[in-house]
Amino acid sequence: DAGVTQSPTHLIKTRGQQVTLRCSPKSGHDTVSWYQQALGQGPQFIFQYYEEEERQRGNFPDRFSGHQFPNYSSELNVNALLLGDSALYLCASSLGAPGGEQYFGPGTRLTVT
Amino acid sequence: GENVEQHPSTLSVQEGDSAVIKCTYSDSASNYFPWYKQELGKRPQLIIDIRSNVGEKKDQRIAVTLNKTAKHFSLHITETQPEDSAVYFCAAPAGGTSYGKLTFGQGTILTVHP
Repeated sequence: DAGVTQSPTHLIKTRGQQVTLRCSPKSGHDTVSWYQQALGQGPQFIFQYYEEEERQRGNFPDRFSGHQFPNYSSELNVNALLLGDSALYLCASSLGAPGGEQYFGPGTRLTVT
Repeated sequence: GENVEQHPSTLSVQEGDSAVIKCTYSDSASNYFPWYKQELGKRPQLIIDIRSNVGEKKDQRIAVTLNKTAKHFSLHITETQPEDSAVYFCAAPAGGTSYGKLTFGQGTILTVHP
């Protein structure tokens, strides 16, 4: 039974660039939520995708956007990167909308220089 | 939106002792309260959760209690072991009953000394 997977593991970008992060949900799950975790803090909700639509959104600017594909996998895109975007980006998968128990992937460590 | 406060921020215990971490939440409509364990450099791992129709739930050495009137819930770990050392996060769904938009506490760094 495949768990939640994310790619890449690490990423280094320059301020102003754009980045795309990818997530494949746990087998049998159809909902993907994205979180940003700054060092020493708890995860902060970015948005959630279900049936290929953004269903809920946290307090993040429009520079953060996403997509969900028919196979339930998802992408997180961040434009015009800022130094403050450096963080661990986690995706969590669940079943149904707004979703049951959420299981996290290993995360993508993004460093913006 | 939901506001979740978690205490203490650090907790140090001797192996075999009990550990208790407490969280309060603001939205009285919230009905689902998960706890996650995050080891250094690893993903948050769901260790136990509770729904508002019960007051307590146990899973081996771990238990969670919920007081809906006071809007607080607690994680109890008995007979602690060094491998319990990690950061623990509580969470509650923002916007009340939704499970999806979790708001996390600030985390508790638990250290279990052999």
